Amino acid sequence: SQQGEEDPQALSIQEGENATMNCSYKTSINNLQWYRQNSGRGLVHLILIRSNEREKHSGRLRVTLDTSKKSSSLLITASRAADTASYFCATYLNQAGTALIFGKGTTLSVSS
Amino acid sequence: DAGVTQSPTHLIKTRGQQVTLRCSPKSGHDTVSWYQQALGQGPQFIFQYYEEEERQRGNFPDRFSGHQFPNYSSELNVNALLLGDSALYLCASSRPSSNEQFFGPGTRLTVL
Repeated sequence: SQQGEEDPQALSIQEGENATMNCSYKTSINNLQWYRQNSGRGLVHLILIRSNEREKHSGRLRVTLDTSKKSSSLLITASRAADTASYFCATYLNQAGTALIFGKGTTLSVSS
Repeated sequence: DAGVTQSPTHLIKTRGQQVTLRCSPKSGHDTVSWYQQALGQGPQFIFQYYEEEERQRGNFPDRFSGHQFPNYSSELNVNALLLGDSALYLCASSRPSSNEQFFGPGTRLTVL
């Protein structure tokens, strides 16, 4: 079963615009992670935000976490064509931190 | 420093056959997890190996089995292949103290 659900499923923007993706999850978490996947290949870890953090930045990425609403958002500022990819949020199924549970992802297309 | 490697890159099998996929973890990592990603879906957790033992298993039938070797590399075996087993199979490695899993490029399995 899916723990996280990303919204929207697909997003098309122009280079230079900002892209915002949202993720909702079902159970309590210790942390939430965002991954990027290019063209059906391996996943690249982007950022991890802990349950006691509300916002985190990494380069052009900004992640927020609202544990009361069980939701997170990923903002990519000044998008580039190279940002075209699928983005997934993921949380751990249990406290042991073994099984990552992914949503279905948001497919981002950035055109020049 | 080599990341997570997987072999083969692509594989075509017919229904009823058996397949073995291989994974070498990132240097310094001793935990290996396997995920199945169907087209248009997020990755689904199959199982995780640590110290050559299956540590946790997802909702997959017994046709899916695995093994971890003393050098931490791992194999995923799938018996009696079904058309529905066609997917990208991802391997991820991690250290037990870390929340971050590093993913390999995946093996694309097609069952005809």
